[in-house]
Amino acid sequence: GENVEQHPSTLSVQEGDSAVIKCTYSDSASNYFPWYKQELGKGPQLIIDIRSNVGEKKDQRIAVTLNKTAKHFSLHITETQPEDSAVYFCAASIEGAQKLVFGQGTRLTINP
Amino acid sequence: KAGVTQTPRYLIKTRGQQVTLSCSPISGHRSVSWYQQTPGQGLQFLFEYFSETQRNKGNFPGRFSGRQFSNSRSEMNVSTLELGDSALYLCASSFRVTYEQYFGPGTRLTVT
Repeated sequence: GENVEQHPSTLSVQEGDSAVIKCTYSDSASNYFPWYKQELGKGPQLIIDIRSNVGEKKDQRIAVTLNKTAKHFSLHITETQPEDSAVYFCAASIEGAQKLVFGQGTRLTINP
Repeated sequence: KAGVTQTPRYLIKTRGQQVTLSCSPISGHRSVSWYQQTPGQGLQFLFEYFSETQRNKGNFPGRFSGRQFSNSRSEMNVSTLELGDSALYLCASSFRVTYEQYFGPGTRLTVT
């Protein structure tokens, strides 16, 4: 079955700097890759997603890139702010199967 | 539009008991998925329902079961509780099976 590896497990950056989180997946049939942000005491919040027919997607300060050949995808957050501090999860699935396989998470801390 | 709601938010049970958790999806959403989140295993898929039918199931023992009602609300049941079942149980809904999944706040289950 699908396996998703996420790195790093913790990341600390200065406010205003960029943060990058990377994930690799094993199943070449996976074609949907969402990213979630989870704050303490809350459920995961969908922040951006990408499908395998595109290589990059941006939404304001957040971007995701996908390399299907290498089976990896990354989350890029620019101009980080204190409210970006949270745990971020990547996931992979076959679109329509609704079974998300998650990475282990990255605890991102933004230092003021 | 109201988000995904889950009840109860917190629950304490004793080993051997059973428990039922409830999830109300976003209005108009017909697909409901359940996930278990633990510090050791991370986020793991339990099962998914669409139009009252279980479409997909994760690798959990038969003690974990679920159902979906005609109004798309869903319940999951865990029988003969074990200490290892202590976790945050998350419900996610989506409009259709090829659409994004939105998570509720979760039910924190503690088994003593």
